[in-house]
Amino acid sequence: KNEVEQSPQNLTAQEGEFITINCSYSVGISALHWLQQHPGGGIVSLFMLSSGKKKHGRLIATINIQEKHSSLHITASHPRDSAVYICAAYNTDKLIFGTGTRLQVFP
Amino acid sequence: EAGVVQSPRYKIIEKKQPVAFWCNPISGHNTLYWYRQNLGQGPELLIRYENEEAVDDSQLPKDRFSAERLKGVDSTLKIQPAELGDSAVYLCASQSYNEQFFGPGTRLTVL
Repeated sequence: KNEVEQSPQNLTAQEGEFITINCSYSVGISALHWLQQHPGGGIVSLFMLSSGKKKHGRLIATINIQEKHSSLHITASHPRDSAVYICAAYNTDKLIFGTGTRLQVFP
Repeated sequence: EAGVVQSPRYKIIEKKQPVAFWCNPISGHNTLYWYRQNLGQGPELLIRYENEEAVDDSQLPKDRFSAERLKGVDSTLKIQPAELGDSAVYLCASQSYNEQFFGPGTRLTVL
């Protein structure tokens, strides 16, 4: 069992749909990261959070420390949101990565 | 401010050949990471540096992989000799206040 698990592994959506990606972790963390990776591209940090909720544009990230669970929401999804979204837990000076959720948004 | 710079972006070599990757972290970031990312998987840590010291290299296959960070700034990762299974994207990241910033990666193909 991975220390950081994401669901779903693959997700398709129509443009405009509300999207949720879930992340559960089993280790103690000081922070949790949501990362975005476009095909052939590097990794971009979307959020780093240790409690509560953060919002940036159409993206919202929440974390429940007691339940060891985080979610990434995308409102009004757009084809340019198509990418792999990776959850990563920051534990004792290193990131433990989930395997990612591949999102495809169709026009 | 420039981000993490890596070169080359792509490298194709034959097995048993050596290969080297270079990383220039964000200025002022003392912590540097090298990761390997296989297709369809998340990145796996190879080595972590604090300044010029390798503080976690437990996942680095030391029989063929080596890394250095002279003067605590730029870093190089070397594979000698490369094997078919080394084909992957090699990512460098630097860190500030628990947040990591990733470079574009080097996509290595070993034929």
